Amino acid sequence: DTAVSQTPKYLVTQMGNDKSIKCEQNLGHDTMYWYKQDSKKFLKIMFSYNNKELIINETVPNRFSPKSPDKAHLNLHINSLELGDSAVYFCASSQASRGEDTQYFGPGTRLTVL
Amino acid sequence: QKEVEQNSGPLSVPEGAIASLNCTYSDRGSQSFFWYRQYSGKSPELIMFIYSNGDKEDGRFTAQLNKASQYVSLLIRDSQPSDSATYLCAVNIGGNTPLVFGKGTRLSVIA
Repeated sequence: DTAVSQTPKYLVTQMGNDKSIKCEQNLGHDTMYWYKQDSKKFLKIMFSYNNKELIINETVPNRFSPKSPDKAHLNLHINSLELGDSAVYFCASSQASRGEDTQYFGPGTRLTVL
Repeated sequence: QKEVEQNSGPLSVPEGAIASLNCTYSDRGSQSFFWYRQYSGKSPELIMFIYSNGDKEDGRFTAQLNKASQYVSLLIRDSQPSDSATYLCAVNIGGNTPLVFGKGTRLSVIA
């Protein structure tokens, strides 16, 4: 069973387009995250949602808009894509309980903007 | 600015040797410490987590934490070629809070 899944796995698109990435977790976790991994492999937090509510919004351009329809899903919509948005986007989830707050990552979505 | 520092490597060790990976962090409020392994083109995979000062062992892996020195390490005993990957150190302030990652250390285990 896939714990954290993302679609699509690969996304190639032109500059200026709008695209969405979807994430679903079947772990029953309350908190979900979007991380961006750039070309130098540096992973950085973008957003954090807890029970469908936005908790953390790091300094991300407002072209990026997350949306959580329920606590098992966290989607990322990107408007007016730019070359610099090319990266791998990872979704993750966690549930702080019993003294463990491990984050589990999805397989990633490799976005290429041409 | 919360930072996590790691030596980028590559760290090369012969098969069967001990690989030692180090990490320092800047935020004294950090409570949870993680080591993830990432193979090329794959997602980060949890290896170990540690919350208390001292050592924590799991199979061939031992995590060490020293909060006074703001230092975390990962030892891999009997290194195997399949351990060749990038190892990411990550910390947070506990609970459901975002991880701050280091840039990773690339480990190469030579057969």
